[in-house]
Amino acid sequence: GEDVEQSLFLSVREGDSSVINCTYTDSSSTYLYWYKQEPGAGLQLLTYIFSNMDMKQDQRLTVLLNKKDKHLSLRIADTQTGDSAIYFCAEIKKVDKLIFGTGTRLQVFP
Amino acid sequence: NAGVMQNPRHLVRRRGQEARLRCSPMKGHSHVYWYRQLPEEGLKFMVYLQKENIIDESGMPKERFSAEFPKEGPSILRIQQVVRGDSAAYFCASSPRIPDGNTIYFGEGSWLTVV
Repeated sequence: GEDVEQSLFLSVREGDSSVINCTYTDSSSTYLYWYKQEPGAGLQLLTYIFSNMDMKQDQRLTVLLNKKDKHLSLRIADTQTGDSAIYFCAEIKKVDKLIFGTGTRLQVFP
Repeated sequence: NAGVMQNPRHLVRRRGQEARLRCSPMKGHSHVYWYRQLPEEGLKFMVYLQKENIIDESGMPKERFSAEFPKEGPSILRIQQVVRGDSAAYFCASSPRIPDGNTIYFGEGSWLTVV
């Protein structure tokens, strides 16, 4: 398909792990990204992964990349209420632009 | 080094008016991208510009929308004769070259409301 796809909602309990999934479109994408957006705010780059890697860890964040299935995931360990936001995955398509997924709204409850 | 600066942050226009959104890229960046985020939706690519050139405008509506990135000054996204459906957040990003890794930087966005 043409779209970068994500599930729309995820609800987790504080302290649990969150896993947000993404299916991208272009097997030649060189970089894949995760952005966070809080209500009424801009985009915050959380992390990115180069396509020749299959895993990247950065503090509470772990990114897994399955190139064969064009599947990207973001795991947030010990999820906190401050992690509540919309999370977008993105790929660089045709070397020149970022294409974003539909976004996953993460809700963390106590 | 200031980040990507967008202004105005919030803009209200009546139907039929023109909206001009400005984006000053980070110092040394010659590539600018515009994205639109409709309410409750993701970001959609609109246009990619280098200094004085439009590289890719495949996401721009064919009518009423135009973008420029002059040799001097900010990039401008211009929407003529705005309609309610243009109400959205418009984000600008810049990079020093073809984007890779963490070289793309986003502005805080401009929220357009058409009344």
